[in-house]
Amino acid sequence: DAKTTQPTSMDCAEGRAANLPCNHSTISGNEYVYWYRQIHSQGPQYIIHGLKNNETNEMASLIITEDRKSSTLILPHATLRDTAVYYCIVRVAYNAGNMLTFGGGTRLMVKP
Amino acid sequence: GAGVSQTPSNKVTEKGKYVELRCDPISGHTALYWYRQSLGQGPEFLIYFQGTGAADDSGLPNDRFFAVRPEGSVSTLKIQRTERGDSAVYLCASSPEARNTEAFFGQGTRLTVV
Repeated sequence: DAKTTQPTSMDCAEGRAANLPCNHSTISGNEYVYWYRQIHSQGPQYIIHGLKNNETNEMASLIITEDRKSSTLILPHATLRDTAVYYCIVRVAYNAGNMLTFGGGTRLMVKP
Repeated sequence: GAGVSQTPSNKVTEKGKYVELRCDPISGHTALYWYRQSLGQGPEFLIYFQGTGAADDSGLPNDRFFAVRPEGSVSTLKIQRTERGDSAVYLCASSPEARNTEAFFGQGTRLTVV
């Protein structure tokens, strides 16, 4: 699976949009971009995934550049409960094992 | 609804002892995964079960670690002769099938070896 690079930490004001970047310059054509987050003392939680088109669900939006070498997770109106470590993972979807390779992630602090 | 349940939530054991960590996946999920998370790091894959069989155990660090899933539901991670370096949070995840895109994680078991 391709390696990802994320900033170690970011701050965001409550109510504002949080934009979390991820670089994955070695991504292959059959690899998807996944985002998970981990709130303190909890297990990781799936947020969203995409291949090349932008995706949106009730939690977030995922913007993938045309060359697919980077992406941005957008939390449109961040709340204090969005404070967590956010992991960007690039992997082949529907592989036999579906296991995830986590990096260090971005620690997002939402401040009042 | 019921999510992935892990017991105990915390376990303190002495160096050299044997421990068992339990995972109850979401009912009907055939794929089950164990991960280990050290302080300040992301989770690391240990082993994956498809049904009763361990389909991939390439993440197990050494032969002191073993996991079973005899009836294709509950899984137990077993650690023999524990070492202080085994201290970590052990996470279990399940998904409806291996090809599913979303894995559901439990809260984890925090293991401390003293």
